Amino acid sequence: DGGITQSPKYLFRKEGQNVTLSCEQNLNHDAMYWYRQDPGQGLRLIYYSQIVNDFQKGDIAEGYSVSREKKESFPLTVTSAQKNPTAFYLCASSISGGILYNEQFFGPGTRLTVL
Amino acid sequence: AQSVSQHNHHVILSEAASLELGCNYSYGGTVNLFWYVQYPGQHLQLLLKYFSGDPLVKGIKGFEAEFIKSKFSFNLRKPSVQWSDTAEYFCAVGGYTSGTYKYIFGTGTRLKVLA
Repeated sequence: DGGITQSPKYLFRKEGQNVTLSCEQNLNHDAMYWYRQDPGQGLRLIYYSQIVNDFQKGDIAEGYSVSREKKESFPLTVTSAQKNPTAFYLCASSISGGILYNEQFFGPGTRLTVL
Repeated sequence: AQSVSQHNHHVILSEAASLELGCNYSYGGTVNLFWYVQYPGQHLQLLLKYFSGDPLVKGIKGFEAEFIKSKFSFNLRKPSVQWSDTAEYFCAVGGYTSGTYKYIFGTGTRLKVLA
């Protein structure tokens, strides 16, 4: 089955700890994205990567970091610097990051709760 | 600044009623337009998209949307809703900003269809 997997589904973290959210895709897509979904605010872009070994900040990158060492993987680290990390995090991918073939495919999401 | 507005945050309809969800955007240049849907407990998925050509696009499950360039709008319609259409609907716009392709989501509309 082709798709995007995110793990874990639920994650609890103590304040002050860093935590890494996993995102893997087997769709052979070049572009990958991380969004944060909060009630009433829609999806806000955290980071995106159009190609391996390259990534760009989105609209709300502060307190987050990413890496893109492999085409299929785009992990997101929520650092202790993120002031309000409790949220639902969605990973997505698209064939390309440009104006063509950019329909996004989404994973099931990870709900992070900071205690 | 680029933006996407969905004016209806919550919509409640009876089965067989007609649906129209508004989406307006502020974006210079060529854009791609999308509607995504998130059914309860499921992944966010593409409902329909507009890249070019006929401004009236048809998607899955009887949905359609019309791109009206002069009004910067891409409203979603369905002539007769079903209980199974209960979901959250997101409009998204993609376009170039300072040479970089960016994807912006609206805040979403929660649709509840009463049986």
